[in-house]
Amino acid sequence: AQSVTQPDARVTVSEGASLQLRCKYSYSGTPYLFWYVQYPRQGLQLLLKYYSGDPVVQGVNGFEAEFSKSNSSFHLRKASVHWSDSAVYFCAGTQVVGQLTFGSGTRLQVYA
Amino acid sequence: ETAVFQTPNYHVTQVGNEVSFNCKQTLGHDTMYWYKQDSKKLLKIMFSYNNKQLIVNETVPRRFSPQSSDKAHLNLRIKSVEPEDSAVYLCASSYAGAGQLYFGEGSKLTVL
Repeated sequence: AQSVTQPDARVTVSEGASLQLRCKYSYSGTPYLFWYVQYPRQGLQLLLKYYSGDPVVQGVNGFEAEFSKSNSSFHLRKASVHWSDSAVYFCAGTQVVGQLTFGSGTRLQVYA
Repeated sequence: ETAVFQTPNYHVTQVGNEVSFNCKQTLGHDTMYWYKQDSKKLLKIMFSYNNKQLIVNETVPRRFSPQSSDKAHLNLRIKSVEPEDSAVYLCASSYAGAGQLYFGEGSKLTVL
């Protein structure tokens, strides 16, 4: 079955530290992959997307993600987090455009 | 900048009542969606709809129905709510054939 898995329900880091949020996918071919962020009492906002080409994609607010076919992964990274990055992050994938499958989300808590 | 508008943002009702949530997008997209987000933040697609096709997630109970007057509007009607319907309902839109979705801020339903 096609799926996206986020193994970490919660991640806590200190402000200024680097960050990696993990995402593993299971698709028969190469899917389209996305990272979305959800701030409290808001909808989801796109951080970045991967369709093809360079496996490292840049997103908004200093986020980037790296696609790995060998590891079936699409991990999200940020070099230095800020307290305002505290939110829930969702990895999502699809092979049928528009039919996104979301991971279970990772709640990021950044402390001062 | 919000371009997918949902009303109401909050609604509290009793078991057995009928509820409707409205969604309008101003992005010129031709496909709209309803997702259900439960208390654990898990996202599940309920419907996707464009002028040509309605795709229903087979796990969605029959008391839920989408209603569309044009491609910019997709409302969600729940005929007789039950306690397990308590959730946040997220509307989204996209171009057909595109993977990226744009989300509204959500409509939180509480069923007493």
